[in-house]
Amino acid sequence: GQNIDQPTEMTATEGAIVQINCTYQTSGFNGLFWYQQHAGEAPTFLSYNVLDGLEEKGRFSSFLSRSKGYSYLLLKELQMKDSASYLCAAMDSNYQLIWGAGTKLIIKP
Amino acid sequence: GAVVSQHPSRVICKSGTSVKIECRSLDFQATTMFWYRQFPKQSLMLMATSNEGSKATYEQGVEKDKFLINHASLTLSTLTVTSAHPEDSSFYICSATKGEDQAYEQYFGPGTRLTVT
Repeated sequence: GQNIDQPTEMTATEGAIVQINCTYQTSGFNGLFWYQQHAGEAPTFLSYNVLDGLEEKGRFSSFLSRSKGYSYLLLKELQMKDSASYLCAAMDSNYQLIWGAGTKLIIKP
Repeated sequence: GAVVSQHPSRVICKSGTSVKIECRSLDFQATTMFWYRQFPKQSLMLMATSNEGSKATYEQGVEKDKFLINHASLTLSTLTVTSAHPEDSSFYICSATKGEDQAYEQYFGPGTRLTVT
């Protein structure tokens, strides 16, 4: 079956760095997405990886290893507004997104 | 830009009635639109994929006669929850892609909070 695993909750300190891991198993693979979702709001796009390696975009970076079925989202210089859920989603061979349950990130001052 | 709107943002209805939710792409043509449902503290669950001018493709376990989807134009898709029950109370989110290739970023609407009493 198809499956996405990511931690349920993580806590980090303002100004620090946090890495949110995601492992996936899909029928075929057409890329890995990370979305941010604040409580009661719709997800907003953060990143898309389809090739192995690290993609950096400001304070956020995303890494992919297709051979390991693994990705991570790296958040630097954490701000209080980064408190949100972070959703990992892998696109399968039918271009369907398989969603993880999300990682709730709590930022403490 | 790529802005997707949903209307209404919140709706409360009585059990047995029907509710229509609209999803619009405001500044682009959306060949494909997706409808998701999200229960509290759970992940997004894809309900159906709709392409303009054709019937929607429903995910397994989603009743197509209960959740009616109409993708009448390249900028509008509607989801009608018929004969709503309290267990249909959820956060409904639509998304749209810009291109014909579905391997594109999905742009999400702000969501509609449905409460059935």
